[in-house]
Amino acid sequence: SQQGEEDPQALSIQEGENATMNCSYKTSINNLQWYRQNSGRGLVHLILIRSNEREKHSGRLRVTLDTSKKSSSLLITASRAADTASYFCATDVVDSWGKLQFGAGTQVVVTP
Amino acid sequence: NAGVTQTPKFQVLKTGQSMTLQCAQDMNHEYMSWYRQDPGMGLRLIHYSVGAGITDQGEVPNGYNVSRSTTEDFPLRLLSAAPSQTSVYFCASSTPGRGFEKLFFGSGTQLSVL
Repeated sequence: SQQGEEDPQALSIQEGENATMNCSYKTSINNLQWYRQNSGRGLVHLILIRSNEREKHSGRLRVTLDTSKKSSSLLITASRAADTASYFCATDVVDSWGKLQFGAGTQVVVTP
Repeated sequence: NAGVTQTPKFQVLKTGQSMTLQCAQDMNHEYMSWYRQDPGMGLRLIHYSVGAGITDQGEVPNGYNVSRSTTEDFPLRLLSAAPSQTSVYFCASSTPGRGFEKLFFGSGTQLSVL
């Protein structure tokens, strides 16, 4: 089974609203990363949060990490139509060097 | 910099045929990897390499071979294609340090095996 599981699987919102998606994982990590994939394209790195960090910001993105609950959340504020994409969490697992593990993703649709 | 370049973008094979998916990066990254993406399953790691001459298996290596003769190139070989290998394949590279900071992805190869 996968290390990371995103929730929800799909999310539909209107422009200007906030989008929140969650990622749960199973084993100890060095860091957790979020990636975006536009339809038919490769993945693009968005943000990384280390295991000793609790919150991180980058532009309209806010990521939190709760290692006690083995979960992370990605918040996109003031969504735009261009934010329509699939979002994946990926974990760099302790003692599993070289094997970044991805979840199944959250598909986000932002309507004008 | 071109980043990570994958060829071809699309390929159709018949069962039993062989082919090589090409991946090249011009960022002098030590680490390169291959993932496959299937609907509803995210990305699964096939093989990876931490430098020229060094390769290792990922989560789903069966049916695939890799080699790393140069830092720039990391081809993925399908020796006898099967319908179960129909998928989108992504190559990615990175410069790992203490951990994996960031993967750079190619644009993918969509493979259909009939």
